[in-house]
Amino acid sequence: GAGVSQTPSNKVTEKGKYVELRCDPISGHTALYWYRQSLGQGPEFLIYFQGTGAADDSGLPNDRFFAVRPEGSVSTLKIQRTERGDSAVYLCASSSKTGALTFGSGTRLTVV
Amino acid sequence: DAKTTQPNSMESNEEEPVHLPCNHSTISGTDYIHWYRQLPSQGPEYVIHGLTSNVNNRMASLAIAEDRKSSTLILHRATLRDAAVYYCILRDSAGGTSYGKLTFGQGTILTVHP
Repeated sequence: GAGVSQTPSNKVTEKGKYVELRCDPISGHTALYWYRQSLGQGPEFLIYFQGTGAADDSGLPNDRFFAVRPEGSVSTLKIQRTERGDSAVYLCASSSKTGALTFGSGTRLTVV
Repeated sequence: DAKTTQPNSMESNEEEPVHLPCNHSTISGTDYIHWYRQLPSQGPEYVIHGLTSNVNNRMASLAIAEDRKSSTLILHRATLRDAAVYYCILRDSAGGTSYGKLTFGQGTILTVHP
């Protein structure tokens, strides 16, 4: 497609459950980023990939959060043992050599 | 990461120019100045970026102070669709990479009145 696609657009899960959020970047974009955004705040960096490898995962809050990009295209953000504080909009972005990031519309995660 | 300071909010009237300021007094020589905006219920959108010289594109202009410690995003004729949160971000290009992370602050909420 023409843009960054994120699925699902909304996810409601129970505290303690495991969730996976998917990101389809723009074809040919080698860099892929994950952010999360709470209400009234700017996006908070989580991790970014260059190809298949994580180039910077300094923003992952703890070991319950993990992300993969096995073939250098689609990426999955995985959250184990979800907590109510994980509720946020999770944003994915990709970029080409120009460096400009193109963001998806995000996945709204609600942990109840 | 070098930090930026922006006003919390600004207001403008439709079809008037808007000047959004950003201070970045601790900017380093390899930091690019990036601007993104975020419309309600959408992900951020790239607007413009620059290093030293002023930049123009179809969306906006970026004016960079000679000492690079401040910059201004200029929307030449505001429309209602320009109402958004505008983020000014410094991005390190050391090592020649254009792929480093972007660190967002709180941004400036721009309200455009009809």
